[in-house]
This record gives sequence, C-alpha cells and structure tokens, in this order.
Amino acid sequence: GENVEQHPSTLSVQEGDSAVIKCTYSDSASNYFPWYKQELGKRPQLIIDIRSNVGEKKDQRIAVTLNKTAKHFSLHITETQPEDSAVYFCAASNTNAGKSTFGDGTTLTVKP
Amino acid sequence: GAGVSQSPSNKVTEKGKDVELRCDPISGHTALYWYRQSLGQGLEFLIYFQGNSAPDKSGLPSDRFSAERTGGSVSTLTIQRTQQEDSAVYLCASGRGRNTEAFFGQGTRLTVV
Repeated sequence: GENVEQHPSTLSVQEGDSAVIKCTYSDSASNYFPWYKQELGKRPQLIIDIRSNVGEKKDQRIAVTLNKTAKHFSLHITETQPEDSAVYFCAASNTNAGKSTFGDGTTLTVKP
Repeated sequence: GAGVSQSPSNKVTEKGKDVELRCDPISGHTALYWYRQSLGQGLEFLIYFQGNSAPDKSGLPSDRFSAERTGGSVSTLTIQRTQQEDSAVYLCASGRGRNTEAFFGQGTRLTVV
C-alpha cells in the first residue's frame, strides 16, 4: 500500500517568514495530493490540493509543488501569520484505491 | 445540515463495553472514511466505503472493530470489548467520490476508563 512520509514534524518560524513542508510517497500510481490544516481542537480542512497532471498550484500565500519523478510534493506558505499556526497534513491517493493515506503531520508555529 | 455530522461528540465508556459511533455524511457524497487520531498524533486510516463497492477494511486494527454504511448514507463504527488503547478521537469524513477532497466531521472523542 501507499506510504507517505512528512517532514519536519515541527516547524517554528517568525511572522512574515516562509514555511516549507515536504512529503514523499511510495506508490507511483498516486495522482491526487491534498493538504489539510487542523487548528487546535478542530477538524482537518482542505487548504489546497494538486493532481498529477500539474507541477505547481498557487492560492494567495499558499502553493504546492509536485515532482512525480522523485515522488515528492511540498507545501509553501509565504508571509506567514500567527493564524497559520496549526498542524498540517499531506496526503496521497490514487484512482484505484480511492482513499487518502496521510502523513504524520507538521506542527507549524508562527511567532509574532 | 451542510457538513458531516458525528455523534456523540464525547463518549466515556468502561473497559470491556461495546460502543457505537455514528456518522452522517454530506448528502450525495458516495465516499465515506473513518480515521482515528490519538492525542497529538496523525490520522490513522480505519475503513473506506465507496458507493456500492465492498468496503476497504484494511485499516481496522482488530476484529473488535467493525463498520457499516446503510443505504449508502449513515455509517456506524462499532468497537466491541473496548480497551484503554482505543481511547482517541474518531473522525469521519465524506467525499464526492474517489480521489476527491475529504470533508471531516468534528469527531467523537472516545475515552475508555
């Protein structure tokens, strides 16, 4: 089955700096890569996703890049704000399996 | 309701008792997932339903765990003879289909004492 590794497990940045979280996956058939944000005590919510037919996707301060050859994808957050502090999960899935396999999460702390 | 609804929000049970957790997915969503999240940990896959296909039960940790999805809508996760290590937040999510965004419920916090 799919195996997703996520790094780092914790990340602390100063407000205004950029944050990068990286994930690798094992199943070359994976073709959908969502990122979820989970604030303390709340449910995970999708913030951005990418499919394997594109290499990069942006949404305001958030971007995701995908390298299918190397089987890794990354989340980039620019101009970080304290409200970006949360746990971020990457995931991978493919059309056959359908379900998402999640990374272990990254706790991002943005210090004002 | 607009979102995924789970009940109860909190459940405290004695070791050895059976519990049932309920999930009401978003109407029309064919995919339904159960995940388990221990304190400060990641999302552990339990089971996945997709339409009328046989469920993917590969994540169920033991035969004490089972789940049903009736009429392609509501799902119930049953844990028999609960153990202390079953204590966690159980999250349900639904999606429009395969390989799509998962919409999570607020979770059921299960505490086994």
